[in-house]
Amino acid sequence: EAEVAQSPRYKITEKSQAVAFWCDPISGHATLYWYRQILGQGPELLVQFQDESVVDDSQLPKDRFSAERLKGVDSTLKIQPAELGDSAMYLCASSLGATGPGEQYFGPGTRLTVT
Amino acid sequence: QKEVEQDPGPLSVPEGAIVSLNCTYSNSAFQYFMWYRQYSRKGPELLMYTYSSGNKEDGRFTAQVDKSSKYISLFIRDSQPSDSATYLCAMSGGSNYKLTFGKGTLLTVNP
Repeated sequence: EAEVAQSPRYKITEKSQAVAFWCDPISGHATLYWYRQILGQGPELLVQFQDESVVDDSQLPKDRFSAERLKGVDSTLKIQPAELGDSAMYLCASSLGATGPGEQYFGPGTRLTVT
Repeated sequence: QKEVEQDPGPLSVPEGAIVSLNCTYSNSAFQYFMWYRQYSRKGPELLMYTYSSGNKEDGRFTAQVDKSSKYISLFIRDSQPSDSATYLCAMSGGSNYKLTFGKGTLLTVNP
């Protein structure tokens, strides 16, 4: 069964350091999403890609966060510098369609702890 | 008022019970409604996906949408200990179909 892959699964970093997360969506899925999930909350969308183009990054803190999907396949989310409040689960999801929400399939997530 | 409201629980039931999970929402543009199950330290798993009002059944799970009341439900029949997880409602509508999630309800099914 095809799955969304994410790495690393866990990351501990000190504040002010840079950190990067990687996501490989299900093969053929054109739409890729990065979400942040704070403990006890639902996921919140950070950025949405359609192929290699950003569709929505309105909730991405652009002073410290960046995301790219250069060839329209895998994607990297970067935080520089990390802050204590960035501690959360970072989830990647993908969906097949370019129209409609489709069925979004999530990866296992990267749990970030900033000390 | 948040766009999606979901009682975080926790909810504890005995094995075999019928479980009812609910969300309310305020945005009339929402047309697509989903339920995700999330085990501890894992990513959410899509359980049910419905469009507009009505019922949808899949095995022990039934999703209901009442757009007139802005209320959605997930029913789990014959609940099992393996159903113990956090259940997240999510909904979408508008131009980019962005998903808005509830906070999630933590369910424990006791053997």
